Amino acid sequence: LAKTTQPISMDSYEGQEVNITCSHNNIATNDYITWYQQFPSQGPRFIIQGYKTKVTNEVASLFIPADRKSSTLSLPRVSLSDTAVYYCLVGPTDSWGKLQFGAGTQVVVTP
Amino acid sequence: KAGVTQTPRYLIKTRGQQVTLSCSPISGHRSVSWYQQTPGQGLQFLFEYFSETQRNKGNFPGRFSGRQFSNSRSEMNVSTLELGDSALYLCASSSQGDYEQYFGPGTRLTVT
Repeated sequence: LAKTTQPISMDSYEGQEVNITCSHNNIATNDYITWYQQFPSQGPRFIIQGYKTKVTNEVASLFIPADRKSSTLSLPRVSLSDTAVYYCLVGPTDSWGKLQFGAGTQVVVTP
Repeated sequence: KAGVTQTPRYLIKTRGQQVTLSCSPISGHRSVSWYQQTPGQGLQFLFEYFSETQRNKGNFPGRFSGRQFSNSRSEMNVSTLELGDSALYLCASSSQGDYEQYFGPGTRLTVT
């Protein structure tokens, strides 16, 4: 599984856009990029997944450059409730149930 | 559709005892994965069951075991508990064991 590197923490104010970049230099051809969100004392929640270019849903956007060695999760107009840990995961979709989580990025949103 | 449920939510055990945790996946999901989360080690994969068979296993000692029933419900057992087993145990379900998994609220296990 490709190793990922993401910032330990990020601070933001309400209403701003938050961009979290994840590096995955050793990504394999059949690997996808997936992001999860976790609030304290809760299980992680799937946010978004992509393979290349840009993916957008009602929660976030995922930008993946052509070389796929990094990706950026974009959270538009964050609110206090977006304070959480965000994990970037890279691996094949046929992972046989195994998700490999790194340390994640603690995002703190303040008024 | 009901989410993933885990029971019990909280548990306190004594070192040396054993414990069984239960997980009910989302209806129709055949894959159940288990994870351990601690402040020091983060989220670590324990094992995955698919159609009653263990398909994948993480790097945990044999004291950690599990099983899955024909209705996809899963149990995890930890024998001879150690203080270091204190953690949040999470289960997640998915249709095929893919990257879009749905996590339960977890069971908080405290070993004293």
